[in-house]
Amino acid sequence: AQSVTQLGSHVSVSEGALVLLRCNYSSSVPPYLFWYVQYPNQGLQLLLKYTTGATLVKGINGFEAEFKKSETSFHLTKPSAHMSDAAEYFCALLWGGFKTIFGAGTRLFVKA
Amino acid sequence: DAMVIQNPRYQVTQFGKPVTLSCSQTLNHNVMYWYQQKSSQAPKLLFHYYDKDFNNEADTPDNFQSRRPNTSFCFLDIRSPGLGDAAMYLCATSRVVNEQFFGPGTRLTVL
Repeated sequence: AQSVTQLGSHVSVSEGALVLLRCNYSSSVPPYLFWYVQYPNQGLQLLLKYTTGATLVKGINGFEAEFKKSETSFHLTKPSAHMSDAAEYFCALLWGGFKTIFGAGTRLFVKA
Repeated sequence: DAMVIQNPRYQVTQFGKPVTLSCSQTLNHNVMYWYQQKSSQAPKLLFHYYDKDFNNEADTPDNFQSRRPNTSFCFLDIRSPGLGDAAMYLCATSRVVNEQFFGPGTRLTVL
């Protein structure tokens, strides 16, 4: 069965510190994986995606993620947090060509 | 810019009074989705259209219906809204085997 698990419903970092949001997946087929960000009262916006090829994926706003098949992980990182990064982040898995399976989400807080 | 548009952004309705939410897209994507998202939760898929083919999720209540008159537009009809239907409703589009593009959402309040 396909599933996505995000470790930590809330993560708090100081401005300028490393951001690490954890995501593990389960998939019976090679996965297509995504990270989306959601700001309050807005829709979801794609940060980055992994389909095939290079396992280190770079996205918008300085975020990147590394696909590790052996660990079934797709963790999201950013070297230096900015106040504007405070938002909800969803890891997601594409299944069956149409359906997106979302993790429960991680709310990122950035302290000044 | 190509985009997904949802109207209205905020909708207030009364308990049991039918309401329709609208979504349009300029991306020319053949798949359109409706999600329900409650506070601090992930979006929950209600249904999707692949072209004209309608696909209902097994746990979507009968109270929720959808129409897709053409490629660009898709509507969500809630026939008899209950208090539990108050939520953010998100429309999204995609091509097959690709990421989804989301609209800004419609926040539904049920009084």
